[in-house]
Amino acid sequence: EVQLVESGGGLVQPGGSLRLSCAASGFTFSSYWMHWVRQAPGKGLVWVSRINSDGSSTSYADSVKGRFTISRDNAKNTLYLQMNSLRAEDMAVYYCARDGGGLHYWGQGTLVTVSS
Amino acid sequence: QSALTQPRSVSGSPGQSVTISCAGTSSDVGGYNYVSWYQQHPGKAPKVMIHDVSERPSGVPDRFSGSKSGNTASLTISGLQAEDEADYYCCSYAGRYVVFGGGTKLTVL
Repeated sequence: EVQLVESGGGLVQPGGSLRLSCAASGFTFSSYWMHWVRQAPGKGLVWVSRINSDGSSTSYADSVKGRFTISRDNAKNTLYLQMNSLRAEDMAVYYCARDGGGLHYWGQGTLVTVSS
Repeated sequence: QSALTQPRSVSGSPGQSVTISCAGTSSDVGGYNYVSWYQQHPGKAPKVMIHDVSERPSGVPDRFSGSKSGNTASLTISGLQAEDEADYYCCSYAGRYVVFGGGTKLTVL
């Protein structure tokens, strides 16, 4: 069974940093592109970033470019999102999702709250 | 990276059919056959209902179907059921990027 479990969310002050993790199991992690998608409270889904299967290629939404870094450790079956210079508008539930037939599998999300 | 355009809400009675549109551009919906649709119930993670424009994952009822014409994709739900009431999002690959629609709230009357 495919499982994606996010962790690392929490309360952070504006300008602060946070690193999210997504532990994957039930499939060959190193074979799939992965994504981060976020959803602000009461709002819609917004794509954040994606990384290819071996980590050599990444893309970011304009809103996070230069502040967020996506990475992966295929030996640990884990996806990461390093978030720096956090702003109030970054507050959201962050989901990791596996590619392959759309964003086929999603985690349950981790909440990031940006507030002083 | 502009969001795809969806109607804010649609509604229908049980047994009826509804169609949700998703308007994009030639740089996203019109340029790739990688349109997908997601269903999200309150407090839950999204679930893929359609991928690659019209492919239905195993376990998704055949009441759900997808199509595309030019820069606009559509999700049709036939034989509406109470459990179909949810938010629906379209999504398209756009080269190096991915873009979602703003979401449509489906109400089953």
